[in-house]
Amino acid sequence: AQSVTQLGSHVSVSEGALVLLRCNYSSSVPPYLFWYVQYPNQGLQLLLKYTTGATLVKGINGFEAEFKKSETSFHLTKPSAHMSDAAEYFCAITGGGNKLTFGTGTQLKVEL
Amino acid sequence: NAGVTQTPKFQVLKTGQSMTLQCAQDMNHEYMSWYRQDPGMGLRLIHYSVGAGITDQGEVPNGYNVSRSTTEDFPLRLLSAAPSQTSVYFCASSYSMARGAYNEQFFGPGTRLTVL
Repeated sequence: AQSVTQLGSHVSVSEGALVLLRCNYSSSVPPYLFWYVQYPNQGLQLLLKYTTGATLVKGINGFEAEFKKSETSFHLTKPSAHMSDAAEYFCAITGGGNKLTFGTGTQLKVEL
Repeated sequence: NAGVTQTPKFQVLKTGQSMTLQCAQDMNHEYMSWYRQDPGMGLRLIHYSVGAGITDQGEVPNGYNVSRSTTEDFPLRLLSAAPSQTSVYFCASSYSMARGAYNEQFFGPGTRLTVL
């Protein structure tokens, strides 16, 4: 079975500051890991994914994440926050099948 | 392509009523699934299907039925609505992992359901 834990249900940053959203995983098989973003009253959109290969993955809108097996982590970062980044972010995992298991989400607030 | 479409966008039911949430996709995806989203709980898998005629239960299936008679459609039925089913429901679809690589899941815009 696989699971993910997102640390911090709410994160607040200033515009221009570093964004760091934390995700730790548990998996008995090599995991596939994902970050999704949900803007208010919308569905989920894939930001980036790690399946195999390069452990630093780049996604849309300037976000990136690094798969660290030794730390069982897949934290999401962006060097400089923009007001348009305000949204809810979900980390998700699968053990290789189609079924995704989601974390509980982190609401990102960007302040002027 | 319209992608994944869901109807209705909003629905209010009384306890005990039944209804069907519709989901359709035009991408010829084998895999389709239903999730519910509740505050502080993320998305939880209700039911999924790996192809027409094949469905299976997810993490929270009680009170919901599904069927998959065509590749395109995957309706979710609430048999006797309860206040605990007040939630936002998302449908998603993707190509099957049987194709040999992970394929992105595409999500619909959601149905916001309130049960009084």
